Amino acid sequence: GIQVEQSPPDLILQEGANSTLRCNFSDSVNNLQWFHQNPWGQLINLFYIPSGTKQNGRLSATTVATERYSLLYISSSQTTDSGVYFCAVDTNAGKSTFGDGTTLTVKP
Amino acid sequence: NAGVTQTPKFQVLKTGQSMTLQCAQDMNHEYMSWYRQDPGMGLRLIHYSVGAGITDQGEVPNGYNVSRSTTEDFPLRLLSAAPSQTSVYFCASSYATLSGELFFGEGSRLTVL
Repeated sequence: GIQVEQSPPDLILQEGANSTLRCNFSDSVNNLQWFHQNPWGQLINLFYIPSGTKQNGRLSATTVATERYSLLYISSSQTTDSGVYFCAVDTNAGKSTFGDGTTLTVKP
Repeated sequence: NAGVTQTPKFQVLKTGQSMTLQCAQDMNHEYMSWYRQDPGMGLRLIHYSVGAGITDQGEVPNGYNVSRSTTEDFPLRLLSAAPSQTSVYFCASSYATLSGELFFGEGSRLTVL
């Protein structure tokens, strides 16, 4: 099946810093989503982005489907950005596959 | 708008017991799925359904059973619980399999002793 790799696995930032999270996938996909899992375990939809670029406040995402990767940018990070960021892809089979996530810690 | 609702939120079972995790969505979504999340890992697909009366296996289906008698409900049954099934379970739904954004419930934490 499709492989999804996220990097880096862990990231520690000082409040106010910027960061880039990467998601590589091994095959063509129909969907790609970014999620934030907060410290309480809730999965929050950030972006639905099978291709192109989207922005939502301090967060933005870019997916280059032809090169099989997606990037999540976090600018001016805040402590509330801490948690695990997951990338999930959906192939023609309709099954979503998740990466192992990037654990982000933002220190005050 | 409730979205995706899972019950119970917490459950403790003894090895060999059976139970059902409930999942309901009120968005008229065709696609529903169950995932498990183990510590330090991403979510792995257990079973999924592309519509009422249709189910299929995901990556880790052994020990679990599902049915989809209505569009709204997609229960997950543990037939004979094992300690290896201790995990957090998430139910998700989307409008369509090929172009749908996934929405998750809040999760159900299961411990099997």
